[in-house]
Amino acid sequence: QVHLQEWGAGLLKPSQNLSLTCAVYGGSFSGYYWTWIRQSPGKGLEWIGEIDDSGNTNYSPSLKSRLTISVDTPKNQFSLNLTSVTAADTAVYYCARPVGYGSGSYYISWFDSWGQGILVTVSS
Amino acid sequence: DIQMTQSPSSLSASVGDSVTITCRASHNVHSYLNWYSQRPGEAPSLLIYAASTLQRGVPSRFGASGSGTDFSLTIRNLQADDIGTYFCQQSYSSPYTFGQGTKLEI
Repeated sequence: QVHLQEWGAGLLKPSQNLSLTCAVYGGSFSGYYWTWIRQSPGKGLEWIGEIDDSGNTNYSPSLKSRLTISVDTPKNQFSLNLTSVTAADTAVYYCARPVGYGSGSYYISWFDSWGQGILVTVSS
Repeated sequence: DIQMTQSPSSLSASVGDSVTITCRASHNVHSYLNWYSQRPGEAPSLLIYAASTLQRGVPSRFGASGSGTDFSLTIRNLQADDIGTYFCQQSYSSPYTFGQGTKLEI
């Protein structure tokens, strides 16, 4: 049974950088696109981006200019860095694991495991 | 981005009732559609994947159908424990988008 745990700074001031890490316990770390998702009252659930154990990434276009997702495979961890935050970045941030089946462009996936979430508040 | 629209945004029902939540995609997502439930203060939890397949451990009172742009989630014989918010999510095209949620009160 895989378990995901997020940690990082929970209170930031505008213009600071948001940095979170997710550790994966149990199960395999390779073969998945480890994902960050956030949830705010205003925008609901928002997919942020993903990374595999080789460092291949896929980012949301709306966040791409400020976003870096990195991976530390030996530690089974991946991280999120979002620069120049504003109040609009206030949200609960989740890490999640997508699983699925298929191959190539016919790959159906879903998020079967989630971290407990970490609240990040941006306020002056 | 593919926009996912759920209806209703909230509903109230009684124990034993059946309820249906609908989800409409702005583009054809085939069967790349998942449903999650979320209790207050918790992370979302997978209910249904690939439009109609029940996640292991989810009661058979939950069912879903649809393909293309129109999908539905039905909960039969509502239990008090079903309270929470339900979300659909498309995994057809990145960025993988979610519906705005349907809050279920019992």
